[in-house]
Amino acid sequence: QKEVEQDPGPLSVPEGAIVSLNCTYSNSAFQYFMWYRQYSRKGPELLMYTYSSGNKEDGRFTAQVDKSSKYISLFIRDSQPSDSATYLCAMETGANNLFFGTGTRLTVIP
Amino acid sequence: DAGVTQSPTHLIKTRGQQVTLRCSPISGHKSVSWYQQVLGQGPQFIFQYYEKEERRRGNFPDRFSARQFPNYSSELNVNALLLGDSALYLCASSWRGVTDTQYFGPGTRLTVL
Repeated sequence: QKEVEQDPGPLSVPEGAIVSLNCTYSNSAFQYFMWYRQYSRKGPELLMYTYSSGNKEDGRFTAQVDKSSKYISLFIRDSQPSDSATYLCAMETGANNLFFGTGTRLTVIP
Repeated sequence: DAGVTQSPTHLIKTRGQQVTLRCSPISGHKSVSWYQQVLGQGPQFIFQYYEKEERRRGNFPDRFSARQFPNYSSELNVNALLLGDSALYLCASSWRGVTDTQYFGPGTRLTVL
């Protein structure tokens, strides 16, 4: 069993839709949770960084962490074609070696 | 401020050869980590260096080695290349390498024929 599970998609939504991306994990020692966005043939770009359980909002993006269920989510409101990318969840115990999900490929259709 | 830079951008090698990839961290960052990203997968942790010392190693064979220089730049070396080493190699830097944000470079795409 992988430590981090993420549905690879692909996911296609119309412009303006709300997008929900999710990851589950098995290691209860994970304390720091991140979402990265990766455009084709580019390095991952940090979108959201959260510590422990709770919600964090940044513009159109909201990250949720539920440690009791070992489940994290990223919501994108009013999705735009420029949001089309692969979204990677990542997490760590504090040792700075990130464990990534497979990535979900998102396409926002104009 | 310049971000993390990596060179070369692309590289083509044949099986059995050796390769060296280079990374320059963000100015002020003392920690560099290396990740391997196979097509269609998430990045996998290879090494972390902090203040020129190896701090952590992921589950990769001894063919993979790295070092960090006094200016905090880093090199990743892979010997005896296999077809399965074809991947995007990502470098990430952070200030101190513990509980702080990692910033990724654009990666070096290695193709092994």
